[in-house]
Amino acid sequence: SQTIHQWPATLVQPVGSPLSLECTVEGTSNPNLYWYRQAAGRGLQLLFYSVGIGQISSEVPQNLSASRPQDRQFILSSKKLLLSDSGFYLCAWSRAGPDYGYTFGSGTRLTVV
Amino acid sequence: GENVEQHPSTLSVQEGDSAVIKCTYSDSASNYFPWYKQELGKGPQLIIDIRSNVGEKKDQRIAVTLNKTAKHFSLHITETQPEDSAVYFCAASLPRAGNKLTFGGGTRVLVKP
Repeated sequence: SQTIHQWPATLVQPVGSPLSLECTVEGTSNPNLYWYRQAAGRGLQLLFYSVGIGQISSEVPQNLSASRPQDRQFILSSKKLLLSDSGFYLCAWSRAGPDYGYTFGSGTRLTVV
Repeated sequence: GENVEQHPSTLSVQEGDSAVIKCTYSDSASNYFPWYKQELGKGPQLIIDIRSNVGEKKDQRIAVTLNKTAKHFSLHITETQPEDSAVYFCAASLPRAGNKLTFGGGTRVLVKP
């Protein structure tokens, strides 16, 4: 069966520090991969999605970047965090092609102080 | 792009009563409509989905209906239980590369015992 791993679960980082969140998927190949951010009590904002290795589409211009160095690995990064980067970050995967639901990871609660 | 509106934003029901959440979408080409349940501090979980060639789908106490003409779909939860308390998100996707889901703003459901 397929599983998705996301870490760390919680993170407190000072303003101006770098960020690296990692997500890996097991049990499938060539998945679509997604990064979402959820502000407290708010909806889900798509940040990046990827349909293949090295293929990254950005949905919202911001202080963050994403990379997909391997088929089942998706990384969210920042060189210098801002206070506004605080939130709940969710990684998700789906089968390639249309009409497939997402499976979300357990999320990373990021607090920038 | 696609836009999904979800109502109500909060819903309080008595245990045993029914709950209904409604969503509208803007792009008539959307063809896949999943619903997610998010418990506090966790990632959203897919609970039911429907494709545009189907008008209704049921799974035990939950059901989803789709009206393509009016471009709206609804989630129905019958015989609500305290464990149904969570935030529910609807979503819609277009048949394009990336299988991007556009999410509604979420409904916080509270089932009172």
